[in-house]
Amino acid sequence: DARVTQTPRHKVTEMGQEVTMRCQPILGHNTVFWYRQTMMQGLELLAYFRNRAPLDDSGMPKDRFSAEMPDATLATLKIQPSEPRDSAVYFCASGLVPQVGYTFGSGTRLTVV
Amino acid sequence: KQEVTQIPAALSVPEGENLVLNCSFTDSAIYNLQWFRQDPGKGLTSLLLIQSSQREQTSGRLNASLDKSSGRSTLYIAASQPGDSATYLCAVIANSGYALNFGKGTSLLVTP
Repeated sequence: DARVTQTPRHKVTEMGQEVTMRCQPILGHNTVFWYRQTMMQGLELLAYFRNRAPLDDSGMPKDRFSAEMPDATLATLKIQPSEPRDSAVYFCASGLVPQVGYTFGSGTRLTVV
Repeated sequence: KQEVTQIPAALSVPEGENLVLNCSFTDSAIYNLQWFRQDPGKGLTSLLLIQSSQREQTSGRLNASLDKSSGRSTLYIAASQPGDSATYLCAVIANSGYALNFGKGTSLLVTP
């Protein structure tokens, strides 16, 4: 089965450090999402891309977060500088719009100490 | 802004019971609706996808219904098993942009 691959699976970092999370979407999918999951807020949309172009990043704190899709096989989410409140699980998902139905990766569990 | 609500937040049932999980959404202009399952510490697994023109979808012991006009969906699980224990998430997909808006989930525990 095709799947969305996220790396790393776990990341522990100190406050102030840069964090980069990577996602390999399913080949042929034209839409890629980044979500953040916390106990308090549930799943929140951070940003998404259609055909590699950013469509919406209104969910991201712009001063520290950035999302890019340098090519069709790689999406990245960077946090610089990281803060303890960024601790969460970050999910990437991809799909072929408009024949939607999205597939999620296993997530990156980020802990900022 | 689309708001998605899932009731109940948690549910515990004995094995073998049939059960219903509820999802409501505030904006009926949706493209479709997707139900997911999430096991502790894991990612999301898609269970059922209902197009906005459909009323229901079935997969094995699972049946999901959609009433767009009233802003409701239900997930029916027949003859529940301990292996069904997980968090079930409802997500609506907007007509514009096709982004997923999630509810906070129902945590289900099926006891032997």
